[in-house]
Amino acid sequence: NAGVTQTPKFRILKIGQSMTLQCAQDMNHNYMYWYRQDPGMGLKLIYYSVGAGITDKGEVPNGYNVSRSTTEDFPLRLELAAPSQTSVYFCASSYGQAYGYTFGSGTRLTVV
Amino acid sequence: GQQLNQSPQSMFIQEGEDVSMNCTSSSIFNTWLWYKQDPGEGPVLLIALYKAGELTSNGRLTAQFGITRKDSFLNISASIPSDVGIYFCAGRMGGSQGNLIFGKGTKLSVKP
Repeated sequence: NAGVTQTPKFRILKIGQSMTLQCAQDMNHNYMYWYRQDPGMGLKLIYYSVGAGITDKGEVPNGYNVSRSTTEDFPLRLELAAPSQTSVYFCASSYGQAYGYTFGSGTRLTVV
Repeated sequence: GQQLNQSPQSMFIQEGEDVSMNCTSSSIFNTWLWYKQDPGEGPVLLIALYKAGELTSNGRLTAQFGITRKDSFLNISASIPSDVGIYFCAGRMGGSQGNLIFGKGTKLSVKP
């Protein structure tokens, strides 16, 4: 099993550009999450989903959008990139709410 | 939002030394998890704790769920160079606030 796969690994965006960070899992997990990690700040939850067709905001959703049309995929969309969105983004999934999360290897995004 | 206080922020280890770190919260948690993150990778689950007072080991790692349910501890015995990385605690309050909350991490480095 591949686990949680994130693409791309690195990306540089110009201010105002948009992009989609891809996340796919092959573990048939219902729950999926997007976090951002800034130096010394731990992991902040952006959006999460408890199943296909259901998404909800986390702690820092502004500037992002998500969709969950299938169990496997949970893309994160940045519409108008801003320098404050420079960060490392992690996607994670879990079998249920009471279980630990499996993380992808991250996407390092720089907005210039 | 809810905060987890993780300490120390960073520490240097010499091979063979024992290492301790902890995580505290002002709220009661019903799950504590410990993750390790290597450079350029996503966090990997080390130990999960589900009951107050629970003591669980994973090789040289031992973690405890505090009896007050507001703290957790991670000990690493006889450290080796590959133990370097960032260790995160994560907690879950349960109920409608079931998503994991992460500490800011403890960075382990090798003593120069």
